[in-house]
Amino acid sequence: AQSVTQLGSHVSVSEGALVLLRCNYSSSVPPYLFWYVQYPNQGLQLLLKYTTGATLVKGINGFEAEFKKSETSFHLTKPSAHMSDAAEYFCAVSEANAGNMLTFGGGTRLMVKP
Amino acid sequence: GAGVSQSPRYKVAKRGQDVALRCDPISGHVSLFWYQQALGQGPEFLTYFQNEAQLDKSGLPSDRFFAERPEGSVSTLKIQRTQQEDSAVYLCASSRTQTGNYGYTFGSGTRLTVV
Repeated sequence: AQSVTQLGSHVSVSEGALVLLRCNYSSSVPPYLFWYVQYPNQGLQLLLKYTTGATLVKGINGFEAEFKKSETSFHLTKPSAHMSDAAEYFCAVSEANAGNMLTFGGGTRLMVKP
Repeated sequence: GAGVSQSPRYKVAKRGQDVALRCDPISGHVSLFWYQQALGQGPEFLTYFQNEAQLDKSGLPSDRFFAERPEGSVSTLKIQRTQQEDSAVYLCASSRTQTGNYGYTFGSGTRLTVV
């Protein structure tokens, strides 16, 4: 069975500082990995995904994530936080033999201080 | 349409009432998923359709929950005899392939409040 752990339910950074949101997963087969962002009262918007190929994945809004198989991690980073980045972030994993369903972590709320 | 559309956006139901939640996926998308998101938590899988076939319903919490996608496009999630613990945001997602490697597009969700 696949599972996702997001370390830190709340992360607070200053505007302009580095953003690092942690995600570790467990999967019995090579997974597909995703980061989604959710703004209040909205659905989930895809930030980036890893399926195959290059392990450093660039997404929208300046975010990127690196798939590290040896560490079973897929941490999300952004060099410089902007106020508009304040939202809830979800890491998710899917496996082709698990009906392709997404399994989500518990989420990390990012707060950006001026 | 351009995105996944869900209706209604908000639903308040009295305990014991039946509700039906609708999902209009992106045209041509093969896969359709329903998720339940409780307050302050990540979405949890309910059920999965590939075209009109319901291939996985292992996440449905009880037999009061029922989903269908009769023509392989629009899907309806029905909850019978609603209980307070059913209060959550119900999210629908669709994907153009069977493997999910192109990602999944989510709707804005239906917020169900059972009073």
